[in-house]
Formats: sequence, C-alpha cells, structure tokens
Amino acid sequence: NAGVTQTPKFQVLKTGQSMTLQCAQDMNHEYMSWYRQDPGMGLRLIHYSVGAGITDQGEVPNGYNVSRSTTEDFPLRLLSAAPSQTSVYFCASSYSIGNVRGETQYFGPGTRLLVL
Amino acid sequence: GQQLNQSPQSMFIQEGEDVSMNCTSSSIFNTWLWYKQDPGEGPVLLIALYKAGELTSNGRLTAQFGITRKDSFLNISASIPSDVGIYFCAGLPTPSTSGTYKYIFGTGTRLKVLA
Repeated sequence: NAGVTQTPKFQVLKTGQSMTLQCAQDMNHEYMSWYRQDPGMGLRLIHYSVGAGITDQGEVPNGYNVSRSTTEDFPLRLLSAAPSQTSVYFCASSYSIGNVRGETQYFGPGTRLLVL
Repeated sequence: GQQLNQSPQSMFIQEGEDVSMNCTSSSIFNTWLWYKQDPGEGPVLLIALYKAGELTSNGRLTAQFGITRKDSFLNISASIPSDVGIYFCAGLPTPSTSGTYKYIFGTGTRLKVLA
C-alpha cells in the first residue's frame, strides 16, 4: 500500500511549456484534490474530484486542467506554464465525502515546480 | 478564497514546554484535521476529529473539536526538538453551508523548539 504517490518530485520548465503532474493512490479513495503551496499562503485548492468522471474547480483553477478517468489517477495539466505557477504542488485523497469517518485526507510528498 | 483563522502564526518555545494552537471559522464544519509539515515534505496527518466536543489524543498531541463546530484546538505537551515544523488545521464545511465538498486550510502555525 503506497498511499498517495506523485511524480515527478522536481521539474523545471520554460515559460509556455506544458506538462502533466501525476498523482495516484492505491487506497480506493473517491475524493482526490490538487493544492499548490506558496510561501506565506498556506495550501490553496486548484481542482478536486469526488469520483471518477467528476471534477470541479477549486480556489485557483486558472491555467490548470484535470481529468479523472479512473479512481486511482488524478493528473494535473499545466497548459502553458508561467512563472506565477512556480510552486510546490500537493495531491491529496480521502475515502469519501459525506461519510464523515471517510473524510480523512492524506497527502502525497509533493512536486516542486520551477518555471523560468 | 476562504481560509481558516489559525493562531498563533509562529511560536518559539523551550523544550519541555506545552504548546497550544487553534483554528476558528465562520462556517460549521463536519470534520477537523490537524497536520504537521516538515521542510520539503508533504503534510502528515496527526489527528482527525469527526464530531462536536470530540477530544482525541495521539501520543503527546491532543486535539478537540469545538462544541460550536466552528473551531478546533491542538495541544502538544512536553515539546521536544523534533516537534519543529508547520502545523496546519483543515476542515470540511457542511455541504449545506458551502454548497461544495472543499477542504479549507488554515495558514499554519510555525513552531520552533529551543533546546
């Protein structure tokens, strides 16, 4: 049971490049989400999904796309990278939403992204 | 976007002292979660709380779900140097008040322990 895994751990991009940050969980969790963490800003929600085929926007969705074709995977796509997207990105998952005891959310180790 | 009010923002304490921090919200929450984040790592779950008034311990850590469902507290007893890090609270508002299932995070309490 690997929990929540993220790849890559580090990435450097040039402005305008696109890339996909991978996130996978092997806990059969319904709820998955992407956050970015910037100094002094805490964690901000980018997109989330309550199940396969269902996604919704979070607080800071612009410049990012997501899809949820399987329960296990929730990739985050940067369409055209900008320096403002330099950040640390965390993926998280929880068993369920609406079933209170299943709402414990677990985080991956993060992807550190630098956009030049 | 909505964030929880977490205080204090930072603390410098002596080894062996007790630590208290709290989070408050204007919304009613279903669930409160407390995390610790070490430098260069992802947040690690410390304690999860599921109902008003609940008091849960994890070793030297104790957290409480406020009776009003709008706040939560974390206490660390007899702090040690490895307690250093950033502590985050997170909560899940009831869908009836938020309309969506979005976890909300506090801005963090940065703890430094002086040996």
